[in-house]
Amino acid sequence: EVQLVESGGVVVRPGGSLRLSCVASGFTFYDYAMIWVRHSPEKGLEWVSLISWDASTTSYADSVKGRFTISRDNSKHSLYLQMTSLRTEDTALYFCAKDRYSFSYSWPDSWGRGTLVTVSP
Amino acid sequence: QSALTQPPSASGTPGQRVTISCSGNNSNIETHTINWYRHVPGTAPKLLIYSNNQRPSGVPDRFSGSKSGTSASLAISGLQSEDEADYYCVIWDASLSGWVFGGGTKLTVL
Repeated sequence: EVQLVESGGVVVRPGGSLRLSCVASGFTFYDYAMIWVRHSPEKGLEWVSLISWDASTTSYADSVKGRFTISRDNSKHSLYLQMTSLRTEDTALYFCAKDRYSFSYSWPDSWGRGTLVTVSP
Repeated sequence: QSALTQPPSASGTPGQRVTISCSGNNSNIETHTINWYRHVPGTAPKLLIYSNNQRPSGVPDRFSGSKSGTSASLAISGLQSEDEADYYCVIWDASLSGWVFGGGTKLTVL
């Protein structure tokens, strides 16, 4: 069974930094692209970032480009999101998700339960 | 950049059939497949439809998807109270190398 467990969400001041983690199990982690998606009541679900199975390709939503960095450690079956220069509008529940098919970009089919990031003065 | 437009809300009574639309701002829907997710805030999103009209195993056949031109639709028949949730269409944007979500439609079962 696929399991994705996010952690690292806390309350942080605007301008602060934070690193989210996602530990994966139940599938061959290094064969799959992974993504971060966030949810806030104001914006709904919003794609944040993607990383390919071998970390050779990364991409970001315009709203986080230059501030967030996605990475992965395949030896630890772990996905990360380094968040800097945080803004109040980054407040959201952050999900990690696995792509449906290996070695491709198809669609996210398995999700974690999320970790809550609150950016507040 | 792609954008997907959904109505902010929809409603129906138990047993009814409701349809949620998703329209694109260019040829994105015409040239890419649409996926639909069900989301109850605070929980993990759930894939309902992939590749325009395919249901993952375990999703009831009350849920169906279709696409025509620059628009797509999710239909829910035999509406049940537990169908109350937010529904999102999603498409791959090659120029972004990422996914674009619609704004979401909040479904209320009256």
